[in-house]
Amino acid sequence: KAGVTQTPRYLIKTRGQQVTLSCSPISGHRSVSWYQQTPGQGLQFLFEYFSETQRNKGNFPGRFSGRQFSNSRSEMNVSTLELGDSALYLCASSLAGTWYEKLFFGSGTQLSVL
Amino acid sequence: GENVEQHPSTLSVQEGDSAVIKCTYSDSASNYFPWYKQELGKRPQLIIDIRSNVGEKKDQRIAVTLNKTAKHFSLHITETQPEDSAVYFCAATFPSGSARQLTFGSGTQLTVLP
Repeated sequence: KAGVTQTPRYLIKTRGQQVTLSCSPISGHRSVSWYQQTPGQGLQFLFEYFSETQRNKGNFPGRFSGRQFSNSRSEMNVSTLELGDSALYLCASSLAGTWYEKLFFGSGTQLSVL
Repeated sequence: GENVEQHPSTLSVQEGDSAVIKCTYSDSASNYFPWYKQELGKRPQLIIDIRSNVGEKKDQRIAVTLNKTAKHFSLHITETQPEDSAVYFCAATFPSGSARQLTFGSGTQLTVLP
């Protein structure tokens, strides 16, 4: 069974640009969550999607957005990039996103904003 | 929202010794507490979790204890081995309608010295 796949693995962008990251969950998983990981800050929750609907959103500016497709694949978009957006972006999937379910993480997309 | 504090941020132990990592949470409604391990350059993986109706859970050399009254929980690793070296994240979650609100601590870098 394939794991959670994130593309691309690395991205280098300049300030003001926008970026789209992709996440393919484990087959059969319908919940996809996104997290931002920076040194010393742990994992900060961005948002969670289930059946193409955003069910929950973290405390991030509106420049961060996402969506989920009918096949459960998800994309995350960051517009007007800032230096502080440099981070590892992780997505995680689970079957139904219930509160006690195990999360399966992807390897992440390392975004560098210059 | 929920806030999770994790201590210490770094921990070094001799191989064979025990390691303890502690987390406190703010929302008394939190009812699920997973621990994730992230080895260098790899994705976070669940190592153990506990629900609020249980005070302790063990899995071989790993155990988690929960004190709901004090709102803190701890990870205990006994007989540490070099392969235990990694960053450990605690998390707390409470049901938010149909969705999960999972908040992570800032992580503990555990180094097991041979």
